[in-house]
Amino acid sequence: DAGITQSPRYKITETGRQVTLMCHQTWSHSYMFWYRQDLGHGLRLIYYSAAADITDKGEVPDGYVVSRSKTENFPLTLESATRSQTSVYFCASSPNGRTGDEQYFGPGTRLTVT
Amino acid sequence: AQKVTQAQTEISVVEKEDVTLDCVYETRDTTYYLFWYKQPPSGELVFLIRRNSFDEQNEISGRYSWNFQKSTSSFNFTITASQVVDSAVYFCALSEASNNDMRFGAGTRLTVKP
Repeated sequence: DAGITQSPRYKITETGRQVTLMCHQTWSHSYMFWYRQDLGHGLRLIYYSAAADITDKGEVPDGYVVSRSKTENFPLTLESATRSQTSVYFCASSPNGRTGDEQYFGPGTRLTVT
Repeated sequence: AQKVTQAQTEISVVEKEDVTLDCVYETRDTTYYLFWYKQPPSGELVFLIRRNSFDEQNEISGRYSWNFQKSTSSFNFTITASQVVDSAVYFCALSEASNNDMRFGAGTRLTVKP
């Protein structure tokens, strides 16, 4: 019962490079989310997805791209990484986002952009 | 847009003391959900409680209790007889029924000293 997993757990990349963070959940939850956590800001929503092939922007989407071809996967891509994208990234899922279901979080990916 | 304020950035107490973590929220929706999450030093996010806007009944779970007051837009969290294992960052969050954008407060870092 893996639940929700993220890979890699740690990543160091250089400015300008493309990097993809992976998220996989085994619950068949409809909704999936990507957050970034920065000191003083808590968690901020980057993108979310209500189902396969349905995605929408959150509070801080600039510089990120998402896709969701399968229900269980929700990759997050930084097309040209910048130092300001150094952060801890959390993926989450929930059965139904609008009914106030709790979100289940992955372990996080710590990304450093040099 | 909704907003969550956790004015206490850091709190330090000695074991067995009671401690209250404050959370104030802003929303225009009449239907919304409030959450508390715990983030221990290991980094994962642990769900603690969910409250919907129509249920102002306070809740107690062991040493944890929550006080929801719509009149003051507050959802405070009290730990009774704190323990070292309670040391963590605690996040309050708000989700409106009209959208899928869960907003988190900046978090309160609680340190419980032996």
